[in-house]
Amino acid sequence: KNQVEQSPQSLIILEGKNCTLQCNYTVSPFSNLRWYKQDTGRGPVSLTIMTFSENTKSNGRYTATLDADTKQSSLHITASQLSDSASYICVVSARRGGADGLTFGKGTHLIIQP
Amino acid sequence: DARVTQTPRHKVTEMGQEVTMRCQPILGHNTVFWYRQTMMQGLELLAYFRNRAPLDDSGMPKDRFSAEMPDATLATLKIQPSEPRDSAVYFCASGLVQGGSPMGGHEQFFGPGTRLTVL
Repeated sequence: KNQVEQSPQSLIILEGKNCTLQCNYTVSPFSNLRWYKQDTGRGPVSLTIMTFSENTKSNGRYTATLDADTKQSSLHITASQLSDSASYICVVSARRGGADGLTFGKGTHLIIQP
Repeated sequence: DARVTQTPRHKVTEMGQEVTMRCQPILGHNTVFWYRQTMMQGLELLAYFRNRAPLDDSGMPKDRFSAEMPDATLATLKIQPSEPRDSAVYFCASGLVQGGSPMGGHEQFFGPGTRLTVL
């Protein structure tokens, strides 16, 4: 069964510090992996989309990595800001497409403290 | 600036009532997605359309849910009759897919969601 596991479930760090969020998946055959940021009460916003051949992608202070061999991805946030407080959701697409080809993680709830 | 809009933002209704949620995708986008989010299940894909044609609605309970795109500027998600377990936030997203699967590496832009509470 396709699964996406995110860790930690929640994380509290001080403003200015770095952090790394993890996403492990068992989706097959793999198509792409997305990281979304979701602020409270808002829709998700795409941070990165990575395909099989990409192993690093950056978007400002966000850097995602993908290891397709070990089926792991990470999202690294550098020099965190208060506005980074949000849920971060990992979503993996299988190549067959369709609604059942999309597997969602439950998210990591990140709180940045001043 | 271009963004996906959804109405209503909040809806409280009683069990058994019909609920209709509306979405206006970003102008020029040809693919529309409906998602549901709950605390327990997280995000789930319900259905998606490409060029107004339904491509997949396998994530949707067929007996009570229906999704349509009457025109390129409007997508609707209807629940009839509604049940308390339908309480969730329903998101619409749109994207421009020019080739390949809508689940490929194409950007999706989410609306603000409709928070539905069924009593």
